[in-house]
Amino acid sequence: SAVISQKPSRDICQRGTSLTIQCQVDSQVTMMFWYRQQPGQSLTLIATANQGSEATYESGFVIDKFPISRPNLTFSTLTVSNMSPEDSSIYLCSISGSGTQYFGPGTRLLVL
Amino acid sequence: GENVEQHPSTLSVQEGDSAVIKCTYSDSASNYFPWYKQELGKGPQLIIDIRSNVGEKKDQRIAVTLNKTAKHFSLHITETQPEDSAVYFCAASRPDGYALNFGKGTSLLVTP
Repeated sequence: SAVISQKPSRDICQRGTSLTIQCQVDSQVTMMFWYRQQPGQSLTLIATANQGSEATYESGFVIDKFPISRPNLTFSTLTVSNMSPEDSSIYLCSISGSGTQYFGPGTRLLVL
Repeated sequence: GENVEQHPSTLSVQEGDSAVIKCTYSDSASNYFPWYKQELGKGPQLIIDIRSNVGEKKDQRIAVTLNKTAKHFSLHITETQPEDSAVYFCAASRPDGYALNFGKGTSLLVTP
């Protein structure tokens, strides 16, 4: 399976600031997704990152808060904008290959 | 998204015993059912999956069963070991066939 890396692995941020998370895959993939995992909770899909076009957001998530870029088939970024303590979560990049979905190691974000 | 119910939320077994985790789903269009293991500080790792044209799949100590009529599927771990201790998530494919809906997770503790 493809190797997925994320940067940063963790960060502590002040409220009101923004953080951009990078996801790099070692091979070209069609489908990339961003999930959020709040402390002790399950995974919730934020959006599907579409190559060359705007991301498709799930109900409850908006582009102004979570802008996403997908400039090519191996890379995507998720920005968490104007952060508040409620944004403290693990943010996970995911890819779909042959119908199977794999996850990156996650970015652990703490907002103070 | 469609609901995926997972039980139990916590499970404690003695080393060598079996562990069973059960999930139900609501979308009859779901046709792919993966299970993930998440260790502390790591992203979810795919451990086994099953598609709707198969009733059971086994990989060494791990097996998954699927009952499409009843819309439920289960994870079976035999001869449990302390290193099996982790949070396990079930998931079901969404109608778009790509993203997943996740259960709330089961925290498994295997005691020596």
